[in-house]
Amino acid sequence: EDQVTQSPEALRLQEGESSSLNCSYTVSGLRGLFWYRQDPGKGPEFLFTLYSAGEEKEKERLKATLTKKESFLHITAPKPEDSATYLCAVLGLNSNSGYALNFGKGTSLLVTP
Amino acid sequence: NAGVMQNPRHLVRRRGQEARLRCSPMKGHSHVYWYRQLPEEGLKFMVYLQKENIIDESGMPKERFSAEFPKEGPSILRIQQVVRGDSAAYFCASSPPKMDGASYGYTFGSGTRLTVV
Repeated sequence: EDQVTQSPEALRLQEGESSSLNCSYTVSGLRGLFWYRQDPGKGPEFLFTLYSAGEEKEKERLKATLTKKESFLHITAPKPEDSATYLCAVLGLNSNSGYALNFGKGTSLLVTP
Repeated sequence: NAGVMQNPRHLVRRRGQEARLRCSPMKGHSHVYWYRQLPEEGLKFMVYLQKENIIDESGMPKERFSAEFPKEGPSILRIQQVVRGDSAAYFCASSPPKMDGASYGYTFGSGTRLTVV
């Protein structure tokens, strides 16, 4: 069974203090690893999809990387507006024919001025 | 270009009542997926629908829950005889036809927060 574990559960950073969020996964044949951002009272907002080990993607202060067992979301010089819950999800070969995302519980990030 | 629209945003029901949650996919999208987010839990897949067809309902509780996506109108997630444990945020996502999950990041709506009192 596919499993996704995110750590830490919560992270508090000072503005400008770079850090990384971790997503460890086990999946039967990775078809895609997804990162989403979720603000309170809102739905998940798509950030990145990674497909194979070694792949990296960047968007503003965020950079996502992927290995065979985990993904990292690096946040460089964060700002208070980066505060949100970051969700990781995987799609595997056995995941309901390629459409049922398996989500982790998320990392709640708070960036203080 | 409106995104995925869900309504109502908040819904309060007494135990034993029925809850109806609506989802209108993005324009041009014909695939709809429902997910549930329980407090302190991750998002869990419930059901995948295309117009007039339920493709996969393996994540739906066996009783009291049903979903439809008619030819015209929004997709409906229906919960009969609600219980306190049904209190959660219910999210809908949509994707275009002929694009599988790995090719498309899914667009989620803002969700319906159901509270059963």
